[in-house]
Amino acid sequence: KNQVEQSPQSLIILEGKNCTLQCNYTVSPFSNLRWYKQDTGRGPVSLTIMTFSENTKSNGRYTATLDADTKQSSLHITASQLSDSASYICVVSAMDDKIIFGKGTRLHILP
Amino acid sequence: GAGVSQSPSNKVTEKGKDVELRCDPISGHTALYWYRQRLGQGLEFLIYFQGNSAPDKSGLPSDRFSAERTGESVSTLTIQRTQQEDSAVYLCASSSQGPRGSSYNEQFFGPGTRLTVL
Repeated sequence: KNQVEQSPQSLIILEGKNCTLQCNYTVSPFSNLRWYKQDTGRGPVSLTIMTFSENTKSNGRYTATLDADTKQSSLHITASQLSDSASYICVVSAMDDKIIFGKGTRLHILP
Repeated sequence: GAGVSQSPSNKVTEKGKDVELRCDPISGHTALYWYRQRLGQGLEFLIYFQGNSAPDKSGLPSDRFSAERTGESVSTLTIQRTQQEDSAVYLCASSSQGPRGSSYNEQFFGPGTRLTVL
């Protein structure tokens, strides 16, 4: 069964600190993996996309990694800012056109 | 427009009434998706339109749900005889040409319609 599991469910950190969010998936055959950021009351916005051959992808203070062998991905946020408070959603696409969404990690940045 | 727009932004209705939600995708985007997001939950796929192909309705939870799309433009999601469990945010997304599994088809989401069924 195609599944995307994210952890932790929620996370609270102080402004300026780093954090790492995890995504494990069992989607097959794998096509690509995206991380989305969803601010409260808004639709998700894509942060990064990685295909099978890509191990890491950066977008400013966001760095995503992918281990296709273990089917794990992480999203690392460096020097967090208050505006990073949001839900981060891992989305995996399969070659058969299925798109599976994780339930997201709710990140709270405290001043 | 600059992005995907949805209307209304909020809808409160009574149980048993029908509702219609609208999505205006980004101009030129051939693919359009509808999702449901219950409070504190992940996105749940409902339906997918790609060009003139038959839509993928595999995610629609019941026959009370239906959606239409006129060509490659506006789409409407209709929920008949609404139930309290239909309360959720309904998100629409569009993307450019290509299969859904393609690396290059980023989905651009609208702000959603928050539906509350009393």
